Amino acid sequence: DGGITQSPKYLFRKEGQNVTLSCEQNLNHDAMYWYRQDPGQGLRLIYYSQIVNDFQKGDIAEGYSVSREKKESFPLTVTSAQKNPTAFYLCASRASGDYNEQFFGPGTRLTVL
Amino acid sequence: DAKTTQPNSMESNEEEPVHLPCNHSTISGTDYIHWYRQLPSQGPEYVIHGLTSNVNNRMASLAIAEDRKSSTLILHRATLRDAAVYYCILLNSNSGYALNFGKGTSLLVTP
Repeated sequence: DGGITQSPKYLFRKEGQNVTLSCEQNLNHDAMYWYRQDPGQGLRLIYYSQIVNDFQKGDIAEGYSVSREKKESFPLTVTSAQKNPTAFYLCASRASGDYNEQFFGPGTRLTVL
Repeated sequence: DAKTTQPNSMESNEEEPVHLPCNHSTISGTDYIHWYRQLPSQGPEYVIHGLTSNVNNRMASLAIAEDRKSSTLILHRATLRDAAVYYCILLNSNSGYALNFGKGTSLLVTP
């Protein structure tokens, strides 16, 4: 089955530690996105990538980093510089072409203790 | 970026039609109107999108005002599985066609 996987579903880390969230897709999509969601709020864009080896900052990129070495993978690292990292993180992908729908993964809920 | 305004919450009875409104008075000519929904603790799911004409698919219908300053998502027969937060989003090529989510409308469906 084609789709997007995110792992793990729940993640706990101590304050001050970097943590990397996984996002893999087998939809052959060029574009991938990372969003963050806080309780009761909509999603906010962290980073996006429209092609391998290229990515752009979104609205709340501070304290995060990404890489796009393979078309299928777009990992997100939450660094110790991110002041409030506890949140629900969602990855999405989209086929090339204008205005195509985005497909979302199941999300990773990160809790920093 | 053009913004959308939606009611915080709506309630519907099961098997009744539901009309979810969205205002977007500052929409530009190149903005598409997209709707997504999100069930609790899940990623959002695409519902429908349109530009000027009304659109139908297996999930819903989208009615777009002639001046494009508002739109309505129509669920023809609400089921309990339709209970979710519905987001109306104006999409353009900014930020690589990234979605700009507001708070959406929380739809409660009662049996």
